[in-house]
Amino acid sequence: DVKVTQSSRYLVKRTGEKVFLECVQDMDHENMFWYRQDPGLGLRLIYFSYDVKMKEKGDIPEGYSVSREKKERFSLILESASTNQTSMYLCASSPQDSQSYSNQPQHFGDGTRLSIL
Amino acid sequence: GQQVMQIPQYQHVQEGEDFTTYCNSSTTLSNIQWYKQRPGGHPVFLIQLVKSGEVKKQKRLTFQFGEAKKNSSLHITATQTTDVGTYFCAGHYGQNFVFGPGTRLSVLP
Repeated sequence: DVKVTQSSRYLVKRTGEKVFLECVQDMDHENMFWYRQDPGLGLRLIYFSYDVKMKEKGDIPEGYSVSREKKERFSLILESASTNQTSMYLCASSPQDSQSYSNQPQHFGDGTRLSIL
Repeated sequence: GQQVMQIPQYQHVQEGEDFTTYCNSSTTLSNIQWYKQRPGGHPVFLIQLVKSGEVKKQKRLTFQFGEAKKNSSLHITATQTTDVGTYFCAGHYGQNFVFGPGTRLSVLP
């Protein structure tokens, strides 16, 4: 079974802090994704990566950056946390296929509920 | 950008009643995926539909992809309390994809 592990289930940080959210997958998937989930807005894609050291902006990348130094690990960085970044953050991974990097089902971690005070 | 709409946003049903959620796109999809998220849990992949008019069944769940590949539906027959959760569709447009906002289902025993 695919396992996507997020480093923290709950996290509380202060405005202006630099925040790191870590995600590790154990199935050798090429693709990894970071989302935030807010009530009524569903899942919004922040960044994704389809290979080591590769990254692509999603729909809401402002205020965030990512790092993928190893295939199994994808980090989300809040450069200077703000209160409007309080949210549930979900990491996901999927294998690539020949047609598209995103066609395969995504496997999600349990999420990190981040509160910025 | 591309948008995928889902209706209804919320649905409350009595146990044993049927439930349907609809997913609509303004442009043609290459495929669509459905996910379920239990309360307090994470989204879990249910199924992928690729062909125009495709219908797939998983026990009490029936998934349908429209002929024009612009809409999809998920129908649950005789809901059970274990069906509680939020159902998301994810529409794929070539290399891109977008999740719908989800339909939250409550099942009253």
